[in-house]
Amino acid sequence: AQSVTQLGSHVSVSEGALVLLRCNYSSSVPPYLFWYVQYPNQGLQLLLKYTTGATLVKGINGFEAEFKKSETSFHLTKPSAHMSDAAEYFCAVSWQGGSEKLVFGKGTKLTVNP
Amino acid sequence: KAGVTQTPRYLIKTRGQQVTLSCSPISGHRSVSWYQQTPGQGLQFLFEYFSETQRNKGNFPGRFSGRQFSNSRSEMNVSTLELGDSALYLCASSAKVDTQYFGPGTRLTVL
Repeated sequence: AQSVTQLGSHVSVSEGALVLLRCNYSSSVPPYLFWYVQYPNQGLQLLLKYTTGATLVKGINGFEAEFKKSETSFHLTKPSAHMSDAAEYFCAVSWQGGSEKLVFGKGTKLTVNP
Repeated sequence: KAGVTQTPRYLIKTRGQQVTLSCSPISGHRSVSWYQQTPGQGLQFLFEYFSETQRNKGNFPGRFSGRQFSNSRSEMNVSTLELGDSALYLCASSAKVDTQYFGPGTRLTVL
């Protein structure tokens, strides 16, 4: 079965430090790739997506991710963490040519320390 | 544009009961998908509806069902509730095939 792996269920960084959240997926078939963020007691908010074209994707709130087909990875980065970035982040993949059926990773809870 | 709305936001039921959750998609969106989020299993796809037809289905028992109306609003129903059905149920709508927008969810507690 196709799967998505997020390395590290908890990541802790200092304010101003680099944020790196890792995501790998199981199939070499080019998928659509997404990162979502979830704040407590809220739904999911789309941060960024890769469908086709440029492999470095920029999203909201200063986040970006790079699609690396050879590594089947789509890691999320932000150069400088802010306290407001503390949340849970989910990587999601669609292999059906669209996003109607998303397969999610287990999530990574990001803590930002002052 | 208003976002995806889900009602109710919180629900408490007892084992054996049934429940119906409602989702109103963003205006103009014809696809509605449902997901279950639990601490143990994470986010899992339930089903997707497009133009009143179920187009995709996840790996859930038949107690979980859904439907979509002509105005694209969707409902999901869970019959004979079990303790393990306690979860956050998220609805997402999309117009284009590459982006889903999620609602705030309905938190269901089964006692």
